[in-house]
This record gives sequence, C-alpha cells and structure tokens, in this order.
Amino acid sequence: DAGVTQSPTHLIKTRGQHVTLRCSPISGHKSVSWYQQVLGQGPQFIFQYYEKEERGRGNFPDRFSARQFPNYSSELNVNALLLGDSALYLCASSQTGVSNQPQHFGDGTRLSIL
Amino acid sequence: GQNIDQPTEMTATEGAIVQINCTYQTSGFNGLFWYQQHAGEAPTFLSYNVLDGLEEKGRFSSFLSRSKGYSYLLLKELQMKDSASYLCAVRAEWLYNNNDMRFGAGTRLTVKP
Repeated sequence: DAGVTQSPTHLIKTRGQHVTLRCSPISGHKSVSWYQQVLGQGPQFIFQYYEKEERGRGNFPDRFSARQFPNYSSELNVNALLLGDSALYLCASSQTGVSNQPQHFGDGTRLSIL
Repeated sequence: GQNIDQPTEMTATEGAIVQINCTYQTSGFNGLFWYQQHAGEAPTFLSYNVLDGLEEKGRFSSFLSRSKGYSYLLLKELQMKDSASYLCAVRAEWLYNNNDMRFGAGTRLTVKP
C-alpha cells in the first residue's frame, strides 16, 4: 500500500509569491496534519483536518491556510511568502486523528524562498 | 518545540545501549510518541506511551512517567543504522489548540564503530 504522498518534492519561490502544497493520505486515513520543519528543529504543527473540517491550528499567521477534500487529500496554501518560510513541509495522516493513533509522515516538500 | 526538552546530541558505540530523555510540561496530556528521522527523510513512528511504565518493541523501549512529565527512549544493541535524530512528541490539550501534537527539537544520535 502506498504511504503518504506529497507533491512537489522541491519548490523554489521568491518573496511575495504564493505556493500550494499537496498531500494524499494513506488509504483509509481520514485525518491529515501539516507541519513545518526548519533545519535542526522538530516539526512545528500548522493544521489538522479531519473529515474536511479543521480540528486544530498552530501558531502560524493567517498567510497559512489549508483545506481537505472529500477524498481526504489536502492542500496547504501559503501567501505572501517570506524568506523565513523556507523549510521542509511535512504532511502526516492517521486513521481518525484520535490521541492514541500514530501519525504517518510523507517525505515532505522542501520549499526554498529566494 | 515548546515545553518539550530533549538533549541536542548524543554519541554512543555500536553494540552499546543508549537512553534518550525527554521532559515536557503540559496539562491535558493525551500521549507521548517517539519518532526516528534520518537526515533528509520523513519521521517514522517508533513508539507510543499514554500510561506510566515501559513499552518494549524489539531493540527499542520507551518509558513514561506522567507525574514527572518524563519519558525516555532506550535503544539496545546499537547498530550504525541507528544514527539518526530521535523526536519526542506530545499530544495534549495545549493552550488554544485542542489535542494537537508538538515535537521536541530532536536528539541527534551518532553511533560510532
């Protein structure tokens, strides 16, 4: 079975631009979470979605938004890109998002802002 | 990560045992996870603890003390391939956010021959 898939794998943008990152969860998983990981740090929580509804939001500005589709795939959108948005963006899925379920991560999208 | 502390780096010898500690501060604790992350790769799930005590899974074990806000990951019979970052993550009712998972900064383990 396929794991969590993310696209694109790498992306280069300039300041002020907009970006859309995509994630397909493991088949049967209905919860998707997004994380930002800066080099040398642990992943920072951005959003969690379950059944197309936002279930949690981290301490990120409103330039960051996301949504989940009926097939449980998800998009993360970032507007007005800043140099500090350069990071690895990870998507993770779990069956329902309840506490005892581990999240399974995709390989991430490495975003570079010039 | 916020309120989750773990050592930045550790070094150990192939075949030895190493313990990686994690301390956290939160209310509404809902579980603690350990992940392994090799450089340039995604984190992979290792273990989950929600009750006090030791969970053993092959060469890896994880311990939790909720009253002390403390966990450790124990790696036995170290192999060179165990060189990676080990991330402690806590799911809790953090302020403003319900039940999301927060990660520590990770412990970079180097296994030497």
